[in-house]
Amino acid sequence: GDSVTQTEGLVTLTKGLPVMLNCTYQTTYSPFLFWYVQHLNEAPKLLLKSSTDNKRTEHQGFYATLHKSSSSFHLQKSSVQLSDSALYFCALRPNYNVLYFGSGTKLTVEP
Amino acid sequence: EAAVTQSPRNKVAVTGGKVTLSCNQTNNHNNMYWYRQDTGHGLRLIHYSYGAGSTEKGDIPDGYKASRPSQENFSLILELATPSQTSVYFCASGAGEQFFGPGTRLTVL
Repeated sequence: GDSVTQTEGLVTLTKGLPVMLNCTYQTTYSPFLFWYVQHLNEAPKLLLKSSTDNKRTEHQGFYATLHKSSSSFHLQKSSVQLSDSALYFCALRPNYNVLYFGSGTKLTVEP
Repeated sequence: EAAVTQSPRNKVAVTGGKVTLSCNQTNNHNNMYWYRQDTGHGLRLIHYSYGAGSTEKGDIPDGYKASRPSQENFSLILELATPSQTSVYFCASGAGEQFFGPGTRLTVL
Protein backbone atom coordinates (compact mmCIF):
# COMPACT_ATOMS: atom_id res chain seq x y z
CA GLY A 1 0.00 0.00 0.00
CA ASP A 2 0.88 3.68 0.05
CA SER A 3 3.11 4.84 2.88
CA VAL A 4 5.72 7.37 4.01
CA THR A 5 8.70 6.72 6.23
CA GLN A 6 10.58 9.32 8.22
CA THR A 7 13.46 7.66 10.00
CA GLU A 8 14.42 10.40 12.44
CA GLY A 9 12.00 11.12 15.22
CA LEU A 10 14.14 13.79 16.82
CA VAL A 11 16.97 15.92 15.43
CA THR A 12 18.88 18.43 17.55
CA LEU A 13 21.32 20.85 15.93
CA THR A 14 23.25 23.98 16.71
CA LYS A 15 22.24 27.17 14.93
CA GLY A 16 24.05 27.68 11.62
CA LEU A 17 24.59 24.01 10.82
CA PRO A 18 23.06 22.22 7.83
CA VAL A 19 20.21 19.76 8.21
CA MET A 20 18.72 16.95 6.18
CA LEU A 21 15.48 15.28 7.21
CA ASN A 22 14.86 11.96 5.50
CA CYS A 23 11.68 10.98 3.72
CA THR A 24 11.07 7.86 1.65
CA TYR A 25 7.79 6.71 0.26
CA GLN A 26 6.08 3.71 -1.24
CA THR A 27 3.39 3.87 -3.89
CA THR A 28 2.47 2.26 -7.17
CA TYR A 29 1.04 5.54 -8.48
CA SER A 30 2.76 8.65 -9.80
CA PRO A 31 3.67 10.44 -6.56
CA PHE A 32 3.12 13.98 -5.39
CA LEU A 33 5.23 14.72 -2.30
CA PHE A 34 4.82 17.42 0.33
CA TRP A 35 6.66 18.74 3.35
CA TYR A 36 4.55 20.33 6.07
CA VAL A 37 5.90 22.25 9.06
CA GLN A 38 4.12 22.54 12.40
CA HIS A 39 5.31 24.98 15.02
CA LEU A 40 4.37 24.45 18.64
CA ASN A 41 0.62 24.70 19.24
CA GLU A 42 -0.04 25.66 15.63
CA ALA A 43 -1.60 23.96 12.62
CA PRO A 44 0.55 22.21 10.01
CA LYS A 45 1.39 24.45 7.07
CA LEU A 46 2.71 23.57 3.64
CA LEU A 47 6.44 24.14 3.21
CA LEU A 48 7.29 22.43 -0.11
CA LYS A 49 5.70 20.27 -2.73
CA SER A 50 6.80 18.48 -5.87
CA SER A 51 5.77 15.91 -8.42
CA THR A 52 8.66 16.50 -10.84
CA ASP A 53 11.46 13.99 -10.85
CA ASN A 54 14.97 15.29 -10.17
CA LYS A 55 13.91 18.94 -9.90
CA ARG A 56 14.87 20.93 -6.80
CA THR A 57 12.08 22.92 -5.17
CA GLU A 58 12.79 25.65 -2.63
CA HIS A 59 10.90 27.76 -0.11
CA GLN A 60 11.98 29.84 2.89
CA GLY A 61 15.55 28.53 2.65
CA PHE A 62 14.46 24.89 2.66
CA TYR A 63 14.83 22.72 -0.40
CA ALA A 64 14.05 19.20 -1.54
CA THR A 65 14.40 17.11 -4.68
CA LEU A 66 12.04 14.31 -5.60
CA HIS A 67 14.01 11.25 -6.70
CA LYS A 68 11.66 8.63 -8.08
CA SER A 69 14.51 6.18 -8.63
CA SER A 70 15.11 6.00 -4.88
CA SER A 71 11.57 6.96 -3.77
CA SER A 72 12.94 9.81 -1.69
CA PHE A 73 12.11 13.44 -0.96
CA HIS A 74 14.59 14.59 1.69
CA LEU A 75 14.27 18.07 3.19
CA GLN A 76 17.44 20.16 3.49
CA LYS A 77 18.59 23.53 4.68
CA SER A 78 22.14 24.86 4.57
CA SER A 79 22.03 26.83 7.81
CA VAL A 80 19.31 26.28 10.42
CA GLN A 81 17.96 29.08 12.59
CA LEU A 82 16.33 29.02 16.01
CA SER A 83 12.98 29.73 14.35
CA ASP A 84 13.25 26.47 12.38
CA SER A 85 12.56 24.48 15.53
CA ALA A 86 9.33 22.65 14.70
CA LEU A 87 7.76 19.35 13.73
CA TYR A 88 8.25 18.43 10.06
CA PHE A 89 5.99 16.01 8.23
CA CYS A 90 6.55 14.43 4.87
CA ALA A 91 3.36 13.50 3.03
CA LEU A 92 2.49 11.52 -0.08
CA ARG A 93 -0.45 12.03 -2.41
CA PRO A 94 -1.00 9.11 -4.74
CA ASN A 95 -3.24 9.68 -7.74
CA TYR A 96 -6.28 10.67 -5.67
CA ASN A 97 -6.99 13.42 -3.14
CA VAL A 98 -5.79 11.74 0.06
CA LEU A 99 -2.53 12.48 1.86
CA TYR A 100 -0.47 9.88 3.71
CA PHE A 101 1.73 11.44 6.38
CA GLY A 102 4.95 10.19 7.86
CA SER A 103 5.33 10.04 11.63
CA GLY A 104 7.14 13.36 11.70
CA THR A 105 10.58 14.65 12.71
CA LYS A 106 10.96 17.08 15.56
CA LEU A 107 13.76 19.53 14.81
CA THR A 108 15.25 21.42 17.74
CA VAL A 109 17.78 24.15 17.01
CA GLU A 110 19.97 25.24 19.89
CA PRO A 111 21.89 28.54 20.23
CA GLU B 1 -5.35 32.16 1.96
CA ALA B 2 -7.63 29.30 2.90
CA ALA B 3 -9.53 29.79 6.14
CA VAL B 4 -10.44 26.72 8.17
CA THR B 5 -11.88 27.10 11.64
CA GLN B 6 -12.67 24.50 14.27
CA SER B 7 -14.84 24.46 17.36
CA PRO B 8 -14.44 23.87 20.17
CA ARG B 9 -10.70 24.43 20.56
CA ASN B 10 -10.61 22.42 23.76
CA LYS B 11 -13.04 19.82 25.04
CA VAL B 12 -13.19 17.57 28.07
CA ALA B 13 -15.66 14.71 27.77
CA VAL B 14 -16.64 11.74 29.89
CA THR B 15 -16.32 8.14 28.82
CA GLY B 16 -19.47 7.04 27.03
CA GLY B 17 -20.56 10.56 26.22
CA LYS B 18 -21.23 11.98 22.77
CA VAL B 19 -18.79 14.49 21.31
CA THR B 20 -19.18 16.56 18.16
CA LEU B 21 -16.27 18.43 16.65
CA SER B 22 -17.12 21.05 14.06
CA CYS B 23 -15.17 22.42 11.13
CA ASN B 24 -15.95 25.27 8.78
CA GLN B 25 -14.09 26.39 5.65
CA THR B 26 -14.75 29.51 3.61
CA ASN B 27 -12.83 28.71 0.44
CA ASN B 28 -15.31 26.57 -1.39
CA HIS B 29 -13.08 23.49 -1.37
CA ASN B 30 -14.83 20.28 -2.31
CA ASN B 31 -12.59 18.07 -0.21
CA MET B 32 -12.46 18.13 3.58
CA TYR B 33 -10.63 15.87 5.99
CA TRP B 34 -10.45 14.91 9.67
CA TYR B 35 -7.15 13.78 11.20
CA ARG B 36 -5.97 12.96 14.65
CA GLN B 37 -2.45 13.68 15.81
CA ASP B 38 -0.68 11.56 18.40
CA THR B 39 3.00 11.55 19.29
CA GLY B 40 4.87 9.00 17.22
CA HIS B 41 2.02 8.54 14.73
CA GLY B 42 1.97 11.78 12.86
CA LEU B 43 -1.37 12.71 11.30
CA ARG B 44 -3.78 9.87 10.71
CA LEU B 45 -6.83 10.20 8.49
CA ILE B 46 -10.17 9.40 10.12
CA HIS B 47 -12.80 10.47 7.60
CA TYR B 48 -12.94 12.65 4.52
CA SER B 49 -15.47 14.08 2.15
CA TYR B 50 -15.63 14.99 -1.52
CA GLY B 51 -18.56 17.36 -1.10
CA ALA B 52 -21.88 17.97 0.60
CA GLY B 53 -23.60 14.72 1.49
CA SER B 54 -20.49 12.58 1.00
CA THR B 55 -18.34 10.94 3.64
CA GLU B 56 -15.60 8.37 3.18
CA LYS B 57 -13.67 6.26 5.67
CA GLY B 58 -10.01 7.00 6.16
CA ASP B 59 -7.38 4.82 7.75
CA ILE B 60 -8.77 4.79 11.32
CA PRO B 61 -12.56 5.30 11.16
CA ASP B 62 -13.59 2.95 13.98
CA GLY B 63 -15.41 4.79 16.74
CA TYR B 64 -15.99 7.89 14.60
CA LYS B 65 -18.71 9.14 12.32
CA ALA B 66 -18.64 12.12 9.99
CA SER B 67 -21.24 14.43 8.56
CA ARG B 68 -20.98 16.89 5.66
CA PRO B 69 -24.25 18.82 5.54
CA SER B 70 -22.91 21.60 3.32
CA GLN B 71 -19.88 22.63 1.29
CA GLU B 72 -18.62 24.67 4.23
CA ASN B 73 -19.20 22.37 7.20
CA PHE B 74 -17.76 18.99 8.14
CA SER B 75 -18.34 17.44 11.57
CA LEU B 76 -16.68 14.58 13.38
CA ILE B 77 -18.88 12.67 15.80
CA LEU B 78 -17.84 10.39 18.62
CA GLU B 79 -21.05 8.63 19.67
CA LEU B 80 -19.50 6.84 22.66
CA ALA B 81 -16.23 8.54 23.57
CA THR B 82 -13.43 6.45 25.06
CA PRO B 83 -10.14 7.50 26.72
CA SER B 84 -8.23 6.14 23.70
CA GLN B 85 -9.80 8.93 21.67
CA THR B 86 -7.97 11.55 23.71
CA SER B 87 -5.96 13.38 21.06
CA VAL B 88 -5.59 16.53 19.03
CA TYR B 89 -7.95 16.62 16.04
CA PHE B 90 -7.30 18.61 12.90
CA CYS B 91 -9.69 19.45 10.13
CA ALA B 92 -8.35 20.31 6.70
CA SER B 93 -9.70 21.31 3.31
CA GLY B 94 -8.25 21.34 -0.18
CA ALA B 95 -7.04 18.87 -2.76
CA GLY B 96 -3.38 18.90 -3.75
CA GLU B 97 -2.50 21.28 -0.97
CA GLN B 98 -4.43 20.89 2.25
CA PHE B 99 -5.13 23.81 4.57
CA PHE B 100 -5.44 22.92 8.22
CA GLY B 101 -7.57 24.36 10.98
CA PRO B 102 -6.09 25.27 14.38
CA GLY B 103 -6.95 21.94 15.97
CA THR B 104 -9.17 20.72 18.81
CA ARG B 105 -7.63 19.22 21.91
CA LEU B 106 -10.00 16.50 23.19
CA THR B 107 -9.59 14.82 26.55
CA VAL B 108 -11.83 11.90 27.40
CA LEU B 109 -11.86 11.06 31.11
